[in-house]
Amino acid sequence: GNSVTQMEGPVTLSEEAFLTINCTYTATGYPSLFWYVQYPGEGLQLLLKATKADDKGSNKGFEATYRKETTSFHLEKGSVQVSDSAVYFCALSDRGAAGNKLTFGGGTRVLVKP
Amino acid sequence: ETGVTQSPTHLIKTRGQQVTLRCSSQSGHNTVSWYQQALGQGPQFIFQYYREEENGRGNFPPRFSGLQFPNYSSELNVNALELDDSALYLCASSLPGQSYEQYFGPGTRLTVT
Repeated sequence: GNSVTQMEGPVTLSEEAFLTINCTYTATGYPSLFWYVQYPGEGLQLLLKATKADDKGSNKGFEATYRKETTSFHLEKGSVQVSDSAVYFCALSDRGAAGNKLTFGGGTRVLVKP
Repeated sequence: ETGVTQSPTHLIKTRGQQVTLRCSSQSGHNTVSWYQQALGQGPQFIFQYYREEENGRGNFPPRFSGLQFPNYSSELNVNALELDDSALYLCASSLPGQSYEQYFGPGTRLTVT
């Protein structure tokens, strides 16, 4: 079945540091890939997406490139802010018998210190 | 544009009881999915509804059931609650033909004691 593996946290950074969160996936077919962010006490917000190989998703300074050859979708941001402190989830969507469900990784908590 | 809304925000139930959670989808979205997020974990897919019918189900027992109404809002019902059902329950909606891209509500925090 489909699965998503992402690096465990917490990741602790200083403001303006470079952030990378690794994500790899296993899927049949050609999934769409997503990064969601969850702030404390809130639901999930779609951060960015990529629907085919070599697509780059970007939003709010975050970027991720769909790498089919390495089955990866690593999230990067060049200069983080305190407000980026949250839990980040990598996910894939693949049409199958269970409809278009999202399969999530376990989440990576990021803490940015001033 | 109103986003996905869920009610109630928090709920405390006793083991063995039944609970109903509600979700209003984002305007124009006709597909609704439900997820369970245990503390410190990623969300797990429960089921998806499209045109008032179940359109896929994850690895959850039959005591988890749902409904979708003509206005696309939805309910999640859980019977015979167990302690392990304590979690954040998330509803997500999506546009026609784009059910792979889902937008989430704030969730309902269910505590079973």
